[in-house]
Amino acid sequence: GQNIDQPTEMTATEGAIVQINCTYQTSGFNGLFWYQQHAGEAPTFLSYNVLDGLEEKGRFSSFLSRSKGYSYLLLKELQMKDSASYLCAASDSNYQLIWGAGTKLIIKP
Amino acid sequence: ETGVTQTPRHLVMGMTNKKSLKCEQHLGHNAMYWYKQSAKKPLELMFVYNFKEQTENNSVPSRFSPECPNSSHLFLHLHTLQPEDSALYLCASSRGGEGASGANVLTFGAGSRLTVL
Repeated sequence: GQNIDQPTEMTATEGAIVQINCTYQTSGFNGLFWYQQHAGEAPTFLSYNVLDGLEEKGRFSSFLSRSKGYSYLLLKELQMKDSASYLCAASDSNYQLIWGAGTKLIIKP
Repeated sequence: ETGVTQTPRHLVMGMTNKKSLKCEQHLGHNAMYWYKQSAKKPLELMFVYNFKEQTENNSVPSRFSPECPNSSHLFLHLHTLQPEDSALYLCASSRGGEGASGANVLTFGAGSRLTVL
């Protein structure tokens, strides 16, 4: 079957670095996506990886290893506004997104 | 404001009511989606429309009925719902066409929080 696993909740300190892991199993693979969702708001697109390696975008980076079925989202210099849920999703052979349940990230001062 | 607007933001209805959720996108996208989001569960894809044609119906009960009159508007008609249908209903749009960038880079609305009594 198709499956995405990510931690339910993580806590980190303002100014620190946090890594949110995601493992996936899909029928075919067309990319790994990360979305951010603040409480009561729309999910917003953060990143897309289809090749192995690290993609950096400001304070956020996303990594992909296709051979391991593994991705992570790295958040640096954490700010209070980064408190949100982070949704991992993999695109299968039909370009259907398979979603994880999301990781709630709590930032403490 | 994401460019995808959903109304109403909150809806409470009884099991015998009929109501509709509305979604409008101002992004010039060609694909629109309905998702159900329940607490601590993955997003569940319900319906997909590409260029106004329904291309996906993910075994959704018939008490949910989608309508897509044009590429900018999407409705979800609700009737005789069950309490377990209480959830956040998210509308999304994408550029459409083939490839991950067309189908998987989604712009979401803020959702309609539905409570069924």
